[in-house]
Amino acid sequence: DGGITQSPKYLFRKEGQNVTLSCEQNLNHDAMYWYRQDPGQGLRLIYYSQIVNDFQKGDIAEGYSVSREKKESFPLTVTSAQKNPTAFYLCASSPEDPLKKLFFGSGTQLSVL
Amino acid sequence: AQTVTQSQPEMSVQEAETVTLSCTYDTSESNYYLFWYKQPPSRQMILVIRQEAYKQQNATENRFSVNFQKAAKSFSLKISDSQLGDTAMYFCAFMNPWGDSNTGKLIFGQGTTLQVKP
Repeated sequence: DGGITQSPKYLFRKEGQNVTLSCEQNLNHDAMYWYRQDPGQGLRLIYYSQIVNDFQKGDIAEGYSVSREKKESFPLTVTSAQKNPTAFYLCASSPEDPLKKLFFGSGTQLSVL
Repeated sequence: AQTVTQSQPEMSVQEAETVTLSCTYDTSESNYYLFWYKQPPSRQMILVIRQEAYKQQNATENRFSVNFQKAAKSFSLKISDSQLGDTAMYFCAFMNPWGDSNTGKLIFGQGTTLQVKP
């Protein structure tokens, strides 16, 4: 079945540590996105990529980094510069479709030890 | 900048009854899309319904319908014959696919937690 796979489902980060969240899609979608969700808030865009080897900052990119070396993969690294990383992270992708329907992964819950 | 506001943090409804969730937004654009997403306890985001701003007719999807008031910048979601499986957090979202950056960026409201009671 086609879809978006995020791993791991739960992740713990120690002080000063970088961690990487995985996002893989087999939908052949060009665009991919990373969103952060905090309790009581909606989703906020961290980074997005519309094509391989290209990506742009979203609204809250500080403390995060991404890469897009392959069409199907868009990993997110939460660096030690992100002082409040505890959140639920959602990856999404969309086709070249005027209605731009986003397909979401099942998310990764990141917590700080 | 576009903003989306959901002023009802929590709502409840009895099973089989009808409930309306409110959403307002702010934009200077004339063409855009509006969405309602559902996030059940599994936390999977599910698209409920979508409205294109240039269409005057309100979108419907089975028990879900919207009341789109473009001049008032209002986009409410009506759920008819509520079911226990409708219990979830509901997010209103805005997108302008024709913007300068054309990112497909969704701007979300804060969400409304809906509890359907048996």
